[in-house]
Amino acid sequence: EAGVTQSPTHLIKTRGQQATLRCSPISGHTSVYWYQQALGLGLQFLLWYDEGEERNRGNFPPRFSGRQFPNYSSELNVNALELEDSALYLCASSFPGQGFDEQFFGPGTRLTVL
Amino acid sequence: SQQGEEDPQALSIQEGENATMNCSYKTSINNLQWYRQNSGRGLVHLILIRSNEREKHSGRLRVTLDTSKKSSSLLITASRAADTASYFCATDDDTASKLTFGTGTRLQVTL
Repeated sequence: EAGVTQSPTHLIKTRGQQATLRCSPISGHTSVYWYQQALGLGLQFLLWYDEGEERNRGNFPPRFSGRQFPNYSSELNVNALELEDSALYLCASSFPGQGFDEQFFGPGTRLTVL
Repeated sequence: SQQGEEDPQALSIQEGENATMNCSYKTSINNLQWYRQNSGRGLVHLILIRSNEREKHSGRLRVTLDTSKKSSSLLITASRAADTASYFCATDDDTASKLTFGTGTRLQVTL
């Protein structure tokens, strides 16, 4: 069974640009979660999508947005990039009805903002 | 803000020794989970303990939960070099609609 996949692996942008990160969940999973992990820090919750709807978002400015497609894959968009947006962005997915019991993580996209 | 705070931040032990790491949290929880992260990659789920459980085992892992103290510990017995990683606790509660991760413990197991 294929795991959660994320693309690209690395992304280099300059301040003010926009970044788009993509995530494909495990087959059968309907919930997708996005996290930001700045260097040396823990994970900060960004967004939760389920069945195409945004269910919750973390304490991040509106320039962080995303969506979930009918096939349950997801996209995270970061507009007007700032230097402090440099981080590892992790996507996770879970089974329907599983709540938060176990999340399966992808390998992450490392975003560098110059 | 981080719900969980792991302690210690870093731990270095020799292969074969036991490793204990602790997690404290602030609010009432439904369950507490431990995850492992190898060198800036994705996280792997290790074990989940529910709020009405006090201890749980899985292979070389033992997790305890003390809801009165809002704390949990993860014990890895007979550690191996392959256990070298960062370990995070994560909690969820009825109101948060999310998992909240702690700051992590970096474990280094040397030969």
